[in-house]
Amino acid sequence: EVQFLESGGGLVQPGGSLRLSCATSGFTFSNYAISWVRQAPGKGLEWVSSISGSGGSTFHADSVKGRFIISRDSSRNTVYLQMSSLTADDTAIYYCANIGRNPLDPWGQGTQVTVSS
Amino acid sequence: DIQMTQSPTSLSASVGDRVTITCRASQNIRGYLNWFQQKPGEAPKLLIYATSSVQSGVPSRFSGSGSGTDFTLTISSLQPEDFATYYCQQSYSTPKYTFGQGTKLEIK
Repeated sequence: EVQFLESGGGLVQPGGSLRLSCATSGFTFSNYAISWVRQAPGKGLEWVSSISGSGGSTFHADSVKGRFIISRDSSRNTVYLQMSSLTADDTAIYYCANIGRNPLDPWGQGTQVTVSS
Repeated sequence: DIQMTQSPTSLSASVGDRVTITCRASQNIRGYLNWFQQKPGEAPKLLIYATSSVQSGVPSRFSGSGSGTDFTLTISSLQPEDFATYYCQQSYSTPKYTFGQGTKLEIK
């Protein structure tokens, strides 16, 4: 069974940093690109970052480019999102998922990130 | 970047109604279109992928169609558990994805 389990969220001050983790199971990790998707309070879904199955290619939305870094550890079947220079606009639930041309389901329950002083 | 526009943004309907939600892409996405359902406090759930392929376990009242830039999600006979927010998402420009803004389906 496909599983995504996000962790690492919390309350952080503006300008601070946080690292999110996404532990996966139930599929061949190296075969799938993994993405982070976020949802601000009361808002829609926003794609944030993606990493290829090999880890050799990464992509970020313009809103986080230069501040967020996505990476993956094939020995742990885990994807990370290192977030820095956080602002209130980054407050959201962060989900990891595969949302490609043959997407995996279900998603995890997400991890809450709150940026506030 | 590819923009995705859903219509309507909100919709009121009754149990038993046939409902259609539209999603338009800013360029040809060659059928690489997914649909998700999200209920309050829950993660999004995959309903349809590649325009018309129904995800395993999803009721047959859900269907998808379209091509090029115009796509639709149809619920043939609304059930009480279908009241939720629906999102389309393009997977053509993988892995730089885009979601529609969502359609909130409410009980009339």
